Amino acid sequence: GAGVSQSPSNKVTEKGKDVELRCDPISGHTALYWYRQSLGQGLEFLIYFQGNSAPDKSGLPSDRFSAERTGGSVSTLTIQRTQQEDSAVYLCASSLASGLVLDEQFFGPGTRLTVL
Amino acid sequence: AQKVTQAQTEISVVEKEDVTLDCVYETRDTTYYLFWYKQPPSGELVFLIRRNSFDEQNEISGRYSWNFQKSTSSFNFTITASQVVDSAVYFCALSEENAGNMLTFGGGTRLMVKP
Repeated sequence: GAGVSQSPSNKVTEKGKDVELRCDPISGHTALYWYRQSLGQGLEFLIYFQGNSAPDKSGLPSDRFSAERTGGSVSTLTIQRTQQEDSAVYLCASSLASGLVLDEQFFGPGTRLTVL
Repeated sequence: AQKVTQAQTEISVVEKEDVTLDCVYETRDTTYYLFWYKQPPSGELVFLIRRNSFDEQNEISGRYSWNFQKSTSSFNFTITASQVVDSAVYFCALSEENAGNMLTFGGGTRLMVKP
């Protein structure tokens, strides 16, 4: 079956521009997660959705970052007024979880964001 | 707060050698889950194993084995008879029951297996 997909795979943008990153989770997975992987910070949690609601936004680094999920499926991570320190690989994961931490998260290939 | 430490940033071995990747964690919760993920050069994180805090039994899956010891807060990963295809970055991660479903990752260990 299809895994988690993300688009675009690569994004180069200029400082100050807004970007949107998309994640398509595995069909039937109710939980969706965004992480960021950068050289200096390793793998960091950003936000988690259960269905369309986000009970945990604690990892969003600033108010320039926002995310939404509609129809319990596709999610979009938006970064406004991008800065060079936003350059990283943004990873999306999904799990079957009905609120259970037990379920493993399946990761997508990531979007590599470069802010010039 | 939860924390995961992978002290080995990089390990290099020759094919067929055994190698152990260390993982030490910190948590205040009594219920938590530990994971290992593999990130090959292609970049996609691949799930390897999940272990809950109440199950200290060691696990073996083919050439892979895991040693969970609550007394030392460690969850080490051993690859027996390593192969070139094992070359990747390996991440240990922790998820606490009381901290939602987020994974806290260690810094990763880059394993290079040379032929």
